Amino acid sequence: GQQLNQSPQSMFIQEGEDVSMNCTSSSIFNTWLWYKQDPGEGPVLLIALYKAGELTSNGRLTAQFGITRKDSFLNISASIPSDVGIYFCAGQPLGRQGAQKLVFGQGTRLTINP
Amino acid sequence: SAVISQKPSRDICQRGTSLTIQCQVDSQVTMMFWYRQQPGQSLTLIATANQGSEATYESGFVIDKFPISRPNLTFSTLTVSNMSPEDSSIYLCSVDGLAGDYEQYFGPGTRLTVT
Repeated sequence: GQQLNQSPQSMFIQEGEDVSMNCTSSSIFNTWLWYKQDPGEGPVLLIALYKAGELTSNGRLTAQFGITRKDSFLNISASIPSDVGIYFCAGQPLGRQGAQKLVFGQGTRLTINP
Repeated sequence: SAVISQKPSRDICQRGTSLTIQCQVDSQVTMMFWYRQQPGQSLTLIATANQGSEATYESGFVIDKFPISRPNLTFSTLTVSNMSPEDSSIYLCSVDGLAGDYEQYFGPGTRLTVT
């Protein structure tokens, strides 16, 4: 089945730094979603992208739906301690419309040194 | 987005027993999903549950091991049957968003440990 390659797997940064992570696939996706999961919690939806080339912001977070429809990135600017967590990309592959089944990336674990 | 609760939040169970996990939503939703998240891993879809029909299971998951109920538009249960230590995971339910989009919203999860 389709798989998403998410990188990096982990990041160790200083507070205040910018963060960038991305997901790629060998197949085309209709939808890209970015989630954040805190320890002991379920994933929380951060940003949803529906059109190729779409660039969407949510506060300090910015995500883009790649032009080829096979990739997406998430940027976090001026990181703060509460940004710590695991970030997952998820997408709905082309051809699965109506099924609403998401494929998830492996996650990026973000650690911030104060 | 909908408010989703799960019960229990965590449990420690003995091998060979079964556990039923409940998922309650504060509004009517069309589709509910059950995921498994093994320690340190990503989310894997177990099945999709629609009200009034049998759940649709993903490859590698079977109804005898993970029976699912969806009696109405706000509630679903997942049972983990005849548990083994390999079933130790976080089990998450999610619901679909507004009609026409593909967003999913997750409950807080049930952390299961099988000894």
